[in-house]
Order: sequence, then structure tokens, then C-alpha cells
Amino acid sequence: AQSVTQLDSQVPVFEEAPVELRCNYSSSVSVYLFWYVQYPNQGLQLLLKYLSGSTLVKGINGFEAEFNKSQTSFHLRKPSVHISDTAEYFCAVSRNSGGYQKVTFGTGTKLQVIP
Amino acid sequence: DGGITQSPKYLFRKEGQNVTLSCEQNLNHDAMYWYRQDPGQGLRLIYYSQIVNDFQKGDIAEGYSVSREKKESFPLTVTSAQKNPTAFYLCATLSGRNTGELFFGEGSRLTVL
Repeated sequence: AQSVTQLDSQVPVFEEAPVELRCNYSSSVSVYLFWYVQYPNQGLQLLLKYLSGSTLVKGINGFEAEFNKSQTSFHLRKPSVHISDTAEYFCAVSRNSGGYQKVTFGTGTKLQVIP
Repeated sequence: DGGITQSPKYLFRKEGQNVTLSCEQNLNHDAMYWYRQDPGQGLRLIYYSQIVNDFQKGDIAEGYSVSREKKESFPLTVTSAQKNPTAFYLCATLSGRNTGELFFGEGSRLTVL
């Protein structure tokens, strides 16, 4: 079984300040890790992904995330947020389960950027 | 441009009525998924289909039905047996066959009055 925990349901931050959105996961096997962003009343868009290799991955819109295997974490960071970053962010893990890619999502973190 | 089209975007129905949500893709992806999204609960898998004429129940399949007669289409029917159907429904395709990377449609918001 696998699970994803996003402890912070809402994160308010002032414009141009740095932000970190936390994601922890549990799995007995190797997984792939993803961050998706959702703007109001829209579908999800892929921000970035960790498949293998360097533990620091860079995504779109200036976001990056670091995979930490020992802490089973995949926190998302941005050094300076913009108003347009206001959205909900979902962490997800994927593993192969009987020939099918089982994807589990966290409950989401709403990032509110304050002008 | 390749993508996923979900329709309708917004739908209102009375209690007891069946509703069918459309999902069409021109990405040539084999696997398709339906998720339900409720505030504070993340995304929960309803059904998935890896190939035409085959589909499997997800974690919350009760009260829903699907079909996969064509590669491009994966419609979801919300039946009257679904006790709390008001939600945001998302269709996705598997863009990363071996990684689980998903590509999403814009969603359909169903409100049952």
C-alpha cells in the first residue's frame, strides 16, 4: 500500500517571499513522485516529477522539489512567489501494481499569495 | 493540438436521475482514468481502463459505470445509486506508461439538486 500526506491544507505567503509545500509518502517499494497544480475550476497540470537520478528536480514556473529517500519526502519550493502562483498543489506517488500504474494523491495544499 | 475534452463543464441534475459525463482524447494514449474530487479529500479513483473494451473498478466505483468502446472515448455515468454525486469529476490519460504520469482534462462539475 502507499499513501501521501500533505500536512498543510492552506499556506498563506506574501508576494516575493519564498515558500515550501510539504509532502511525505509511505511505500514499501520504489515509487515515482509528482507535483501537480490546479487553478480554480480547471484540471491538474504537471509541475514536475522525480523518476530517477538527481534528487533535485526543476519544474515549470520556477518551482523545484527535492526527493529525500531517508525522510520519504518530496517537498516543493519556490524562492519568490508571484500572485499568479495562487492555486492548489497536489503531491502524488505512483508505483507499478500488477501491470497497472497505481497513482495516489495527497489531499492538496492551497497556496494563497498575498499582495 | 492534442488534449482531453470533457463535457459538459457544468451540469445540474435532479436527485434520482442518471447523468453521463463525456471524456474524449486525441492523444493516442491507451489508458484512461476517472477521478472524483471533493474539497479537502484530494483525488479519488473511480474507474480506469488500460485498453479498449476493458476497464477496472477504482477505490470508489459504487454508483458509477463506464464503457470503453473506442480508444478515444471513456464516458462516465453517475447513476441514481450514487449517494452523494455532487462533485468535480476529472478525466485523465496515462501519458507516462511506465511512470504513472497523468494528463488531465478540464473537469466537469456536477451538482445534484
